[in-house]
Amino acid sequence: EAGVTQFPSHSVIEKGQTVTLRCDPISGHDNLYWYRRVMGKEIKFLLHFVKESKQDESGMPNNRFLAERTGGTYSTLKVQPAELEDSGVYFCASSQALGASYEQYFGPGTRLTVT
Amino acid sequence: AQSVAQPEDQVNVAEGNPLTVKCTYSVSGNPYLFWYVQYPNRGLQFLLKYITGDNLVKGSYGFEAEFNKSQTSFHLKKPSALVSDSALYFCAVKTGANNLFFGTGTRLTVIP
Repeated sequence: EAGVTQFPSHSVIEKGQTVTLRCDPISGHDNLYWYRRVMGKEIKFLLHFVKESKQDESGMPNNRFLAERTGGTYSTLKVQPAELEDSGVYFCASSQALGASYEQYFGPGTRLTVT
Repeated sequence: AQSVAQPEDQVNVAEGNPLTVKCTYSVSGNPYLFWYVQYPNRGLQFLLKYITGDNLVKGSYGFEAEFNKSQTSFHLKKPSALVSDSALYFCAVKTGANNLFFGTGTRLTVIP
């Protein structure tokens, strides 16, 4: 069974540019999460999809971030326009169902550097 | 509000010695606690979790963790460290919501 995959693994862009990150969850997992780790800090929740619907987007930092999950399969996270403070590692995770007993499976992350 | 503290940024231990990576939490309600590990250039891997029941939970790669409600702690332990255990370890908690709250991570270095 393939794990969670993310693309690209690294992205270096200039301030003001646009970047789109992609996440492919484990097949059959309805729940998809985005998290971000800024250098040296904790990993912070961004948002949660259940299928194609946004269940919780309370962690999205501002309206420069747009997440989509059309068709309830893969998800994209677009940052437009990027700012320096957006640099960090963006993780995607998926889980089979809701509830505490279902662990989240994480992808390798996308390292975003905004210069 | 939920929060997780990992008081040590770095833990060094000699190979073969026991290791402990500390984690304390603050939540309202019953906590569900998790440990994840990140090896270089890899994603977060699930190690173990505490949901309910026995306070000592066993996980992957010989790791275990002890839930202590009175001290609000969930320390990760292993009786005998391996060089291959060197990695970044994250403690996480969730309650009613489905998202995880993570600590800042502890880098474990096992010295040969």
